[in-house]
Amino acid sequence: EAQVTQNPRYLITVTGKKLTVTCSQNMNHEYMSWYRQDPGLGLRQIYYSMNVEVTDKGDVPEGYKVSRKEKRNFPLILESPSPNQTSLYFCASSRTGLGGNTIYFGEGSWLTVV
Amino acid sequence: AQKVTQAQTEISVVEKEDVTLDCVYETRDTTYYLFWYKQPPSGELVFLIRRNSFDEQNEISGRYSWNFQKSTSSFNFTITASQVVDSAVYFCALTLTMEYGNKLVFGAGTILRVKS
Repeated sequence: EAQVTQNPRYLITVTGKKLTVTCSQNMNHEYMSWYRQDPGLGLRQIYYSMNVEVTDKGDVPEGYKVSRKEKRNFPLILESPSPNQTSLYFCASSRTGLGGNTIYFGEGSWLTVV
Repeated sequence: AQKVTQAQTEISVVEKEDVTLDCVYETRDTTYYLFWYKQPPSGELVFLIRRNSFDEQNEISGRYSWNFQKSTSSFNFTITASQVVDSAVYFCALTLTMEYGNKLVFGAGTILRVKS
């Protein structure tokens, strides 16, 4: 079954404590990205990756890091989380970065920073 | 600016009513894709439809239908005979062509509440 898997699904953490949200896809997709969802703003892209070792900033990259060492994994790293990073996070993947491809989303990760 | 506007923040209807969710987009691209996603209270994003800019045919899927009009840059979504299970947040999205490929630009979402 085609899947994008995110972990953890729910997390409450404290300001400044580094955390990583993992994302893994089983479809051999080249393109992966992270979005955050905030009320009244929809989803906004944080980072994206066109392929292994190729990553770049999206619209709201401040406070986040990513890496793409393997094709299937695209972790999102919050080095020093702050309360304004409390949000619902989605990982997405598609075969390529072209617009006609089906985009698969993970189930979302609810992150609260206190 | 290339963006998606969902002017209706929240809509409440009574079960069996028809409801239309509006989506207006702006883009400089001649080739683009439009999407609708449903987000139920559990939080996941459920893909509903993808439409490319060259296909203006309206689409119907069960109780769902979509009206794509390039002349008004709109891609509206209608639910016929709404049900309580339709209660969710609905997002309209547009692909934005970038140098590296495309990304999705989302509207702010419309909260639909269907009451029994």
